[in-house]
Amino acid sequence: EAQVTQNPRYLITVTGKKLTVTCSQNMNHEYMSWYRQDPGLGLRQIYYSMNVEVTDKGDVPEGYKVSRKEKRNFPLILESPSPNQTSLYFCASCIGRGGPYEQYFGPGTRLTVT
Amino acid sequence: AQKVTQAQTEISVVEKEDVTLDCVYETRDTTYYLFWYKQPPSGELVFLIRRNSFDEQNEISGRYSWNFQKSTSSFNFTITASQVVDSAVYFCALSEDNQGGKLIFGQGTELSVKP
Repeated sequence: EAQVTQNPRYLITVTGKKLTVTCSQNMNHEYMSWYRQDPGLGLRQIYYSMNVEVTDKGDVPEGYKVSRKEKRNFPLILESPSPNQTSLYFCASCIGRGGPYEQYFGPGTRLTVT
Repeated sequence: AQKVTQAQTEISVVEKEDVTLDCVYETRDTTYYLFWYKQPPSGELVFLIRRNSFDEQNEISGRYSWNFQKSTSSFNFTITASQVVDSAVYFCALSEDNQGGKLIFGQGTELSVKP
């Protein structure tokens, strides 16, 4: 089954404790990205990756890091989480860059930073 | 600058009523794509439709229909004979051809369908 998986699905952590949210897709997609969803703001892109070893900032990259060592994986790293990073996070992938391609979203990771 | 506006934050209807969710977008590109996603209470994002800027034909899929009007930069979504299972947050999104696949989302409209 074609899918995007994220782990963990729920996470409560404390300020400053490094964490990683994993994202994996089994569709051999080149393009992957991370979004955060906040009430009243919709979803906003954090980082994206066009292919292995190619990553770039989205609209709200501050406080986040990513890596793309393998085509299927695109982890999101919070080196020193803060309460304003409490949010619902989605990983997405699609076959290539550009608008015409459908983006497949993971199930979401709800992060709470206290 | 690109932007998507969903002015209706919340809508409440009674089952079997028709409901229209509004979406207005801004873009300077001539080639762009518009999307609607559904987010049920379980939280996942469900793709509903994609429309490119060169195709203004309206689309109907069962009880769902979409009205794309470039003249008013709108891409509205109508649910006919709403059902309780339609209760969800609905997002409209824009992707420009030169933006590498980034989706620009509206704020979302929370639809509540009461029995």
